[in-house]
Amino acid sequence: AQTVTQSQPEMSVQEAETVTLSCTYDTSENNYYLFWYKQPPSRQMILVIRQEAYKQQNATENRFSVNFQKAAKSFSLKISDSQLGDTAMYFCAFMKHWRNTPLVFGKGTRLSVIA
Amino acid sequence: EPEVTQTPSHQVTQMGQEVILRCVPISNHLYFYWYRQILGQKVEFLVSFYNNEISEKSEIFDDQFSVERPDGSNFTLKIRSTKLEDSAMYFCASMGLYVTNYGYTFGSGTRLTVV
Repeated sequence: AQTVTQSQPEMSVQEAETVTLSCTYDTSENNYYLFWYKQPPSRQMILVIRQEAYKQQNATENRFSVNFQKAAKSFSLKISDSQLGDTAMYFCAFMKHWRNTPLVFGKGTRLSVIA
Repeated sequence: EPEVTQTPSHQVTQMGQEVILRCVPISNHLYFYWYRQILGQKVEFLVSFYNNEISEKSEIFDDQFSVERPDGSNFTLKIRSTKLEDSAMYFCASMGLYVTNYGYTFGSGTRLTVV
């Protein structure tokens, strides 16, 4: 079974600074997807970024980028130029590379951006 | 951008009552899911649905739960006899043929409170 571990329950960052959220996972699969989801106080689940394991290049979406280390089974999220609206819970998630498999989530990291 | 729609956004029910949570997935998606998030905890998979039948379910999805797609557009989760511990946020999600092309999209959730 797959597991996802987020070792930082809470983090804080000053506005405009950079912060990195950690995620490690355990799997015997070779092909899979990794995701970061943002959950603001409204509790909606919003996709931040997605990484395909067969791609060596790290995914980027504007101020969000990942550091994907497949051998180390590590998938960290870097948020640059942090904004107050980035304050949320962030969940790392794993999905096998098959069409109809469920997401496995970590326990989340609560990020607070401070003005 | 296409959305997954969930209704109601908040439901309060008495212990022992039946509830039906409703979801309208994105129209061209093929795979449908229900997840649960107890307050302050991680998101947990309940069940996946494809081609009008359950394709996978977790150990949480016991006999008190059922899902159906009654009319080709709605996707419902029924809890037959609610318990206090069923209080949670319930998320519906849908996915197209390929994660990379059509994504894995969550609805905004239904907050279920059992009293």
